[in-house]
Amino acid sequence: DAGVTQSPTHLIKTRGQQVTLRCSPISGHKSVSWYQQVLGQGPQFIFQYYEKEERGRGNFPDRFSARQFPNYSSELNVNALLLGDSALYLCASSPDTGQAGDTQYFGPGTRLTVL
Amino acid sequence: GDSVTQMEGPVTLSEEAFLTINCTYTATGYPSLFWYVQYPGEGLQLLLKATKADDKGSNKGFEATYRKETTSFHLEKGSVQVSDSAVYFCALIRRGAQKLVFGQGTRLTINP
Repeated sequence: DAGVTQSPTHLIKTRGQQVTLRCSPISGHKSVSWYQQVLGQGPQFIFQYYEKEERGRGNFPDRFSARQFPNYSSELNVNALLLGDSALYLCASSPDTGQAGDTQYFGPGTRLTVL
Repeated sequence: GDSVTQMEGPVTLSEEAFLTINCTYTATGYPSLFWYVQYPGEGLQLLLKATKADDKGSNKGFEATYRKETTSFHLEKGSVQVSDSAVYFCALIRRGAQKLVFGQGTRLTINP
């Protein structure tokens, strides 16, 4: 079975531009989460979506937005890019059974560089 | 708020050495605990998990035991290989919560 897929793999943008990152979850998984990983640090939670509804948001500015589609794929949008937005953006999916320890499975990430 | 603290790296060992990477946590309730591994240029791979006190997670020779009394989830392996070189992240998630909370990561290098 295919794992979580993300596109593009790498992206270079300039300050002030806008970017859209895409994620396809594991088949059968209804929940998608987005994380930002700055070089040398652990991932930080941005959003979680379940059944097309936002279910959680981390401490990120309104420049960050996301949505989930009927097929459970998701997009993360970042407007007015800043140099500090340069990071690896990770998408994770989970089956969301509601049971303890529901595991989140991560994709390979999109490396965003803002110049 | 919830937090995870890992031993600082980098950690450098020789092949076949014993590995311990310490992880302690602070959380309300009874979180589930995870170890993820990140190889160079890649995303995170789940290594092992434990969902309740005294559970032991294991995979690929790695083990970690959920210790509620010491709020710890230390990662161990009896004999490391060069292929184990990677960054290891300890993480938790509270029941009903949406987000994984990660430690800062520990970079492990194994020399032949």
